[in-house]
Amino acid sequence: GENVEQHPSTLSVQEGDSAVIKCTYSDSASNYFPWYKQELGKRPQLIIDIRSNVGEKKDQRIAVTLNKTAKHFSLHITETQPEDSAVYFCAAGAQKLVFGQGTRLTINP
Amino acid sequence: DTGVSQDPRHKITKRGQNVTFRCDPISEHNRLYWYRQTLGQGPEFLTYFQNEAQLEKSRLLSDRFSAERPKGSFSTLEIQRTEQGDSAMYLCASTFSGTPLYEQYFGPGTRLTVT
Repeated sequence: GENVEQHPSTLSVQEGDSAVIKCTYSDSASNYFPWYKQELGKRPQLIIDIRSNVGEKKDQRIAVTLNKTAKHFSLHITETQPEDSAVYFCAAGAQKLVFGQGTRLTINP
Repeated sequence: DTGVSQDPRHKITKRGQNVTFRCDPISEHNRLYWYRQTLGQGPEFLTYFQNEAQLEKSRLLSDRFSAERPKGSFSTLEIQRTEQGDSAMYLCASTFSGTPLYEQYFGPGTRLTVT
């Protein structure tokens, strides 16, 4: 069945450094790849998304890359700040989304 | 508040009881999704509607679960004969239909505890 694998499960970086989270997906029909940030006790909120006709997208300190041939996509956060600490989820799909297991990102001041 | 809303926010029930949750999507959105999220995991797809039609239901979803969206606006999710394994956060999300998908906006969730 459809599956999304996300790594690492936890990530700790120093403030100001970069963080990278990687996901692979199994369903070749997937054409939409969002990333969500979820703070403790809060709802998931979209931070960036990419569609299959684009290889890279950037929004200020956040960027996402997509390799459809290899079926993997990645989230890059540069110049990390303490408020970036949260759980991040990748997802992939066409008419519905399959989510990864999440990455708990901790930014150390 | 024009975002997605869910009611109740918390529900504690005894095993074997039935529970019903409600989701009110963003009014212009014709797609509505239900997800279940357990601690430390990503949201797991349950089912989705386009207008009032239920287009897909997860193969893993027990027949104790049923969802409706009778007038293409709000939706309800009912769990019959609840089990302790049903304890989770139930999230609703809404969006516009399209290919590829548009951004899904999540509600605050209903946290279910089955004792």
